[in-house]
Amino acid sequence: DAGVIQSPRHEVTEMGQEVTLRCKLISGHNSLFWYRQTMMRGLELLIYFNNNVPIDDSGMPEDRFSAKMPNASFSTLKIQPSEPRDSAVYFCASSLAGRDNQPQHFGDGTRLSIL
Amino acid sequence: GESVGLHLPTLSVQEGDNSIINCAYSNSASDYFIWYKQESGKGPQFIIDIRSNMDKRQGQRVTVLLNKTVKHLSLQIAATQPGDSAVYFCAPRRPGGKLIFGQGTELSVKP
Repeated sequence: DAGVIQSPRHEVTEMGQEVTLRCKLISGHNSLFWYRQTMMRGLELLIYFNNNVPIDDSGMPEDRFSAKMPNASFSTLKIQPSEPRDSAVYFCASSLAGRDNQPQHFGDGTRLSIL
Repeated sequence: GESVGLHLPTLSVQEGDNSIINCAYSNSASDYFIWYKQESGKGPQFIIDIRSNMDKRQGQRVTVLLNKTVKHLSLQIAATQPGDSAVYFCAPRRPGGKLIFGQGTELSVKP
């Protein structure tokens, strides 16, 4: 079975540029989570969606970050303009909501470096 | 604020020995708990979960114990192998679905 698929795996860009990270959910899953992982702060939840609707975006750092689900199986996380402090590994995870106790399954992340 | 702690940031064990990774959590309303394993360059991988109405659950070579009274859970890995070397996270779930991740414990297996 295909897991959560993220692209690109690595992104290096200069500050001020727009960055778009992509995520394909596991087929049949209806919840989508975006996380950021750094050495200093560990794994932080940025935003999550249930059935394409954003439920909690309190973890989004600031207005430079935005996330969308244009359809039920795909999501994007956009940073515009990017800054060096945005450098981190970004993960998305999906799960099946509506049934109790379904774990989140993670992709292998996008390693983002902003120069 | 809410916190998830791990008693040891690093754990080194001999191949073949059993490993125990501990985790303390602070939110007594947590109703579901997940252990994840993260290898270098990869995303967290689901290992085992446990509901709050259970105190023990076993998987293949892994056992999770939950003590709600003291808000503590542990992951036991039997016959630890080099492939078990990774960072392990416990993630209690708040009512509403949000997982809270701690800093992780790095398990190192010596051959």
